[in-house]
Amino acid sequence: QKEVEQNSGPLSVPEGAIASLNCTYSDRGSQSFFWYRQYSGKSPELIMFIYSNGDKEDGRFTAQLNKASQYVSLLIRDSQPSDSATYLCAVEEGQNFVFGPGTRLSVLP
Amino acid sequence: DAGVTQSPTHLIKTRGQQVTLRCSPKSGHDTVSWYQQALGQGPQFIFQYYEEEERQRGNFPDRFSGHQFPNYSSELNVNALLLGDSALYLCASSLIAGGAGGETQYFGPGTRLLVL
Repeated sequence: QKEVEQNSGPLSVPEGAIASLNCTYSDRGSQSFFWYRQYSGKSPELIMFIYSNGDKEDGRFTAQLNKASQYVSLLIRDSQPSDSATYLCAVEEGQNFVFGPGTRLSVLP
Repeated sequence: DAGVTQSPTHLIKTRGQQVTLRCSPKSGHDTVSWYQQALGQGPQFIFQYYEEEERQRGNFPDRFSGHQFPNYSSELNVNALLLGDSALYLCASSLIAGGAGGETQYFGPGTRLLVL
């Protein structure tokens, strides 16, 4: 079974700073990678996905993928208190996703 | 655009009972996946349904079973409930593209199950 690892945190950053969230995965053959945000007591909501090596930007979010090193990261620029949540990394395995345990991010005003 | 819906939102059962959870996929989607999320952990894949058949299954016992209806909605059934089945049960829908996997999944609000 594929494994996906994330630092559980909490990761604390001041408002306006860049938050960097990292994820490593075990299967070198993985092709699709997803970042979800989950507020306490709520369900995961999709932030973005990435398939190709390099960077992919969407507003304040940038996903970075390095297949050779088997890691994917999410950068959040100009972090806001509303970004405080658990961030889940997901890697496709056949027809489903394998999720990491999530990193709890706290943005301090 | 109707998103993924799930019912009920909360449920309390006792050990040994059976439970049925329901999910309607996002409009235009044809595939439903079910996940179990224990407190403080990431979602764990239970199974996926497409064209009314179980397409893939995770490492869950046979007590967990499911069904997909012609309108793409789905049910998750859990028999002989254990205390350890207490969790947030998430339904995610997607649209099968080339069938190669990796299709984006969108989650419903979840059903929180408490087994006493």
